[in-house]
Amino acid sequence: DQQVKQNSPSLSVQEGRISILNCDYTNSMFDYFLWYKKYPAEGPTFLISISSIKDKNEDGRFTVFLNKSAKHLSLHIVPSQPGDSAVYFCALRNNNDMRFGAGTRLTVKP
Amino acid sequence: NAGVTQTPKFRILKIGQSMTLQCTQDMNHNYMYWYRQDPGMGLKLIYYSVGAGITDKGEVPNGYNVSRSTTEDFPLRLELAAPSQTSVYFCASSYLRASGESTQYFGPGTRLTVL
Repeated sequence: DQQVKQNSPSLSVQEGRISILNCDYTNSMFDYFLWYKKYPAEGPTFLISISSIKDKNEDGRFTVFLNKSAKHLSLHIVPSQPGDSAVYFCALRNNNDMRFGAGTRLTVKP
Repeated sequence: NAGVTQTPKFRILKIGQSMTLQCTQDMNHNYMYWYRQDPGMGLKLIYYSVGAGITDKGEVPNGYNVSRSTTEDFPLRLELAAPSQTSVYFCASSYLRASGESTQYFGPGTRLTVL
């Protein structure tokens, strides 16, 4: 039962270019959509979120887009920096239940 | 603030042994959670708590028990360890904002191996 899918296990981009990470879901009941970033041997850290009543939220270099009709969530990082290299998880909330994607490993090359 | 702390960082168990993974938060958050992450997979919710004395099952609760006697502590108990419980365990806490948003803050994880 994979309600949340991140179909790209890895992504490599050049420093300064845009990174686009994608997440697809099947359950329309999710009300909050979040992105977390994870470095090795650490817990995930919150990056940015969006509620189901919005379609875009921006915070500095990070923008999250939500397309409810397509059940698709994306994270744009621009410009990408080497320090952005990490695993990115999308997380979707339905009341107290949170479902995570499997993650996309982003590598930003100098 | 230390945030969310977890002990131990690493543990190796034999099949059938029991252990408790400790989790403490100092942010006065009402909500606390336990997740496991298997290799190449996302985090899966084991149990959660919306306040002291209240716990509920998540997506994968079998083989685990929790208790929440205080706001700060949310221990996870494995009674009869099995190889399928080899995983990295993350504890998290959060509070619910008036907007409905609740950001989870995660601990550093406990890497458990059952042999």
